[in-house]
Amino acid sequence: QVQLVESGGGLVKPGGSLRLSCAASGFTFSDYYMSWIRQAPGKGLEWVSYISSSGSTIYYADSVKGRFTISRDNAKNSLYLQMNSLRAEDTAVYYCARDGGDYGDYIFDYWGQGTLVTVSS
Amino acid sequence: QSVLTQPPSASGTPGQRVTISCSGSSSNIGSNTVNWYQQLPGTAPKLLIYSNNQRPSGVPDRFSGSKSGTSASLAISGLQSEDEADYYCAAWDDSLIVVFGGGTKLTVL
Repeated sequence: QVQLVESGGGLVKPGGSLRLSCAASGFTFSDYYMSWIRQAPGKGLEWVSYISSSGSTIYYADSVKGRFTISRDNAKNSLYLQMNSLRAEDTAVYYCARDGGDYGDYIFDYWGQGTLVTVSS
Repeated sequence: QSVLTQPPSASGTPGQRVTISCSGSSSNIGSNTVNWYQQLPGTAPKLLIYSNNQRPSGVPDRFSGSKSGTSASLAISGLQSEDEADYYCAAWDDSLIVVFGGGTKLTVL
């Protein structure tokens, strides 16, 4: 069965960095696009970034452009999000989600359980 | 402020039909399909409706979606207590981003 397991969240000071990982299993990871989506405490969903199956196409939300970097290692079935220059408003649960599956592009058919990132001094 | 506009709350009694609206613009809903996600309390979101009105396998046919112009709607018929959740619409935007609605909290009275 499809599984997505995020890790790497935690408490970090403003201006600091954090690297999130998402381990995928149960499907051919290299065939699928992937995205990161976040949810601030008590708030709605916000799409963060997208990466194509080969990694050649990448998109970012304006709110993270220039600070976050999405990447993937298809040999390790893993997705990453390098987060730099973190701000208090980046505090959220970060979900990785499978994209571009049977239902089409930019449609998230499987989600991980999320990892909490807290940016606070 | 979310790009797609949803009512913050909706409610209904068991057995009723409720609808949740989602309003966008020509660059998102107007030119791309709409997807809906259900988020039960304390859990990750789940794909509920894709491509405006299609249900993934396993989603009951009580859930239906529609789109007209720059707006979309999610309808839930035969409301059940387990439908109490947050519902989000989403769409691709031509500015190369995915946009979500702010979410609608559905309460089953």
